Amino acid sequence: DTAVSQTPKYLVTQMGNDKSIKCEQNLGHDTMYWYKQDSKKFLKIMFSYNNKELIINETVPNRFSPKSPDKAHLNLHINSLELGDSAVYFCASSQDLGIQRRNEQFFGPGTRLTVL
Amino acid sequence: GQNIDQPTEMTATEGAIVQINCTYQTSGFNGLFWYQQHAGEAPTFLSYNVLDGLEEKGRFSSFLSRSKGYSYLLLKELQMKDSASYLCAVTGTYKYIFGTGTRLKVLA
Repeated sequence: DTAVSQTPKYLVTQMGNDKSIKCEQNLGHDTMYWYKQDSKKFLKIMFSYNNKELIINETVPNRFSPKSPDKAHLNLHINSLELGDSAVYFCASSQDLGIQRRNEQFFGPGTRLTVL
Repeated sequence: GQNIDQPTEMTATEGAIVQINCTYQTSGFNGLFWYQQHAGEAPTFLSYNVLDGLEEKGRFSSFLSRSKGYSYLLLKELQMKDSASYLCAVTGTYKYIFGTGTRLKVLA
């Protein structure tokens, strides 16, 4: 069974369009994340949600809007896509926000977004 | 500020031992993770250190020195399948900060 799934796996679209990426985890985790990995392979956190509440918003343009309908889902909607948005977007989850013990993240397969 | 440094690339030979270093500066340090990421795939968890010292897990070991802001990942008996990027990540207040990763190439 897939632990963290994302759809779609590939997304090719024109500048100015609006698109969404969906993420679901079946691990029963409380915390979910969105990361952006650019062409230099730098993995940068964008958002973190805990029990459907936004915890971290890392200076991401407000064209990016996460939505968490329940704690198993964290979707990412992007308005007015720009060339610089081209990257691989990873969703991840962890048991909770626990930071003083091993609390590894489980990553989805990634969504490769190409903006033309 | 917060900063994590790793070498960009390393090359080693099958069967050899390689050490990948990670130095960090961060406020509110709570633990250090290593992840492996094969090309075109998602990162997967390798190891976790919260106390100083060495954690061994099969062919992989990870070391932490909190006073020096330093960690390394040691890979023994390298195999071709170990060719991947290795990401060091430090946990601070409610979030991870990932390093840029070290791309390891294992040659036959």
